[in-house]
Amino acid sequence: GAVVSQHPSRVICKSGTSVKIECRSLDFQATTMFWYRQFPKKSLMLMATSNEGSKATYEQGVEKDKFLINHASLTLSTLTVTSAHPEDSSFYICSASRRTGGITDTQYFGPGTRLTVL
Amino acid sequence: DAKTTQPPSMDCAEGRAANLPCNHSTISGNEYVYWYRQIHSQGPQYIIHGLKNNETNEMASLIITEDRKSSTLILPHATLRDTAVYYCIVRGFTGNQFYFGTGTSLTVIP
Repeated sequence: GAVVSQHPSRVICKSGTSVKIECRSLDFQATTMFWYRQFPKKSLMLMATSNEGSKATYEQGVEKDKFLINHASLTLSTLTVTSAHPEDSSFYICSASRRTGGITDTQYFGPGTRLTVL
Repeated sequence: DAKTTQPPSMDCAEGRAANLPCNHSTISGNEYVYWYRQIHSQGPQYIIHGLKNNETNEMASLIITEDRKSSTLILPHATLRDTAVYYCIVRGFTGNQFYFGTGTSLTVIP
């Protein structure tokens, strides 16, 4: 159980285009989803927290107009990188958290999406 | 959330126990310790978490010191597939967010 998928796994796009990445929780309802980015040989950096039916909360320094997040259902969140530029090339990873009824919400991570902007 | 400190890298012989330390000296009473690992170019994988008691599951054991200022993740019989970056994260009672540190790159040697 607790499987999270991402689509696509890899995308190459031209500079100036927009790219949408989907994150789905396959076997549980995710009350909260998170988006991270990771540069080569670096750790994961939290970009934003997304709660179903409400606006995402962005971390300091992350442009909300650049990285649009939609969490329309309890199993799907999308990240759209608008007007992508080469510096947006990175590994984007989502995670999903379910409330088990206890006080801790373990995060389960997707496999990641490799974005390359030419 | 409390900051964690981990050694940047460790080696372990295949079949031996791998003991990965983590310092979280500013942890507060209601903060949990989580461990994840990330194999190259994959998403992090949940391993284990705990509050103050030692925990064990099919993957690993988590030993938390009595003062909770440090913990150790134990992989009892390391295999080559355990080569990965291991992250120790402290997460608060109310906040869902995970802030990853630099982790420990574990290399299991044949």
